[in-house]
Amino acid sequence: AQSVTQPDIHITVSEGASLELRCNYSYGATPYLFWYVQSPGQGLQLLLKYFSGDTLVQGIKGFEAEFKRSQSSFNLRKPSVHWSDAAEYFCAVDSGSARQLTFGSGTQLTVLP
Amino acid sequence: KAGVTQTPRYLIKTRGQQVTLSCSPISGHRSVSWYQQTPGQGLQFLFEYFSETQRNKGNFPGRFSGRQFSNSRSEMNVSTLELGDSALYLCASKVTSGTSTDTQYFGPGTRLTVL
Repeated sequence: AQSVTQPDIHITVSEGASLELRCNYSYGATPYLFWYVQSPGQGLQLLLKYFSGDTLVQGIKGFEAEFKRSQSSFNLRKPSVHWSDAAEYFCAVDSGSARQLTFGSGTQLTVLP
Repeated sequence: KAGVTQTPRYLIKTRGQQVTLSCSPISGHRSVSWYQQTPGQGLQFLFEYFSETQRNKGNFPGRFSGRQFSNSRSEMNVSTLELGDSALYLCASKVTSGTSTDTQYFGPGTRLTVL
């Protein structure tokens, strides 16, 4: 069965600092990987996705993520965080055959002024 | 193009009642999935519908059911509500269910509170 681990429940960074959110997945074949962001009381907004090809993918709002097969990781990065980035971030995997997303437990991001 | 819409946005019910939530997918999207989000269990898959047929189901009791109409709109129903059913229910749509390279786009959710 596929699974996703986000080891950091809560991360605090200062505005302008760089950010890296960790995501590890468990799945036998090449997974389809996603990062979503959720603001309070809102649904999930897609930040970026990886299906195949270039392992460094660019997303919206200046986010990028790198797929590393050897480490089973798909970490999300941003070089300079803005106060509006404060939200909860979810990593998800779709194995294909299951036709469903399996989510990590999420990482809550706080941005200090 | 309009996004996924869900109605109502907020709902308060009492234990034992039943509830129906509605989801309208993005125009042209034929697959609709439902997820439950709670602080304790996180985001969990409920079921997926495509062409009015349930294609996949998560590990939820039979009190949770759904259906999809010919225009791809979907409803989910929860009968005999329990306190633990209080959650944010999210609907997601994608073009087809035939390939996992389709991206799921989420609606704003329906916040259900069971008293």
